[in-house]
Amino acid sequence: DTEVTQTPKHLVMGMTNKKSLKCEQHMGHRAMYWYKQKAKKPPELMFVYSYEKLSINESVPSRFSPECPNSSLLNLHLHALQPEDSALYLCASRPGTSGSSLLGEQFFGPGTRLTVL
Amino acid sequence: GQQVMQIPQYQHVQEGEDFTTYCNSSTTLSNIQWYKQRPGGHPVFLIQLVKSGEVKKQKRLTFQFGEAKKNSSLHITATQTTDVGTYFCAGLGPMLESNYQLIWGAGTKLIIKP
Repeated sequence: DTEVTQTPKHLVMGMTNKKSLKCEQHMGHRAMYWYKQKAKKPPELMFVYSYEKLSINESVPSRFSPECPNSSLLNLHLHALQPEDSALYLCASRPGTSGSSLLGEQFFGPGTRLTVL
Repeated sequence: GQQVMQIPQYQHVQEGEDFTTYCNSSTTLSNIQWYKQRPGGHPVFLIQLVKSGEVKKQKRLTFQFGEAKKNSSLHITATQTTDVGTYFCAGLGPMLESNYQLIWGAGTKLIIKP
């Protein structure tokens, strides 16, 4: 299995809602990422998990809360979002987290297209 | 902070014409990766360049990494409609300074004129 899966594909939520995005990979990768991508822009890093521990938080507002329950699963909990948070949320993984394993591709999931009303 | 500039932002070509996108980093890179994102899709890895002066080819695509490891280019020969999409470069800064994060270029959107 060489893919990253994400659910749901689309999500529409109000500013008072609580929802979660889910990402899964079964490639044994030990680094997992959340990115946010606005239209016509490159992916913007939000969080990095390394061996299930949060290693990077790119000053993301607390209304986004990541969670890594195990080495295959990554969640992003959403609460009290703003309309400007509407974007494509991408999950990615890579095999390792240090040394030469930093080189090499990131495998991206298909993304969740989020609309906040 | 470290930046990767990518130009042009858009390129319109007739099918069969060539296409080139360029990336230039403010600092020396450990590597540079290229990704393609089709309209409505997600980034898909194309290739990675690691060595100074490296050139790699994938069929009609040619990738180059500069001698100083600060610039890179992607050239597509004889574009086809399947080449449509946005091409991103993404570089890893010096290992001890980069915090292991890819620095992404802004992307170049390839548009095939009918």
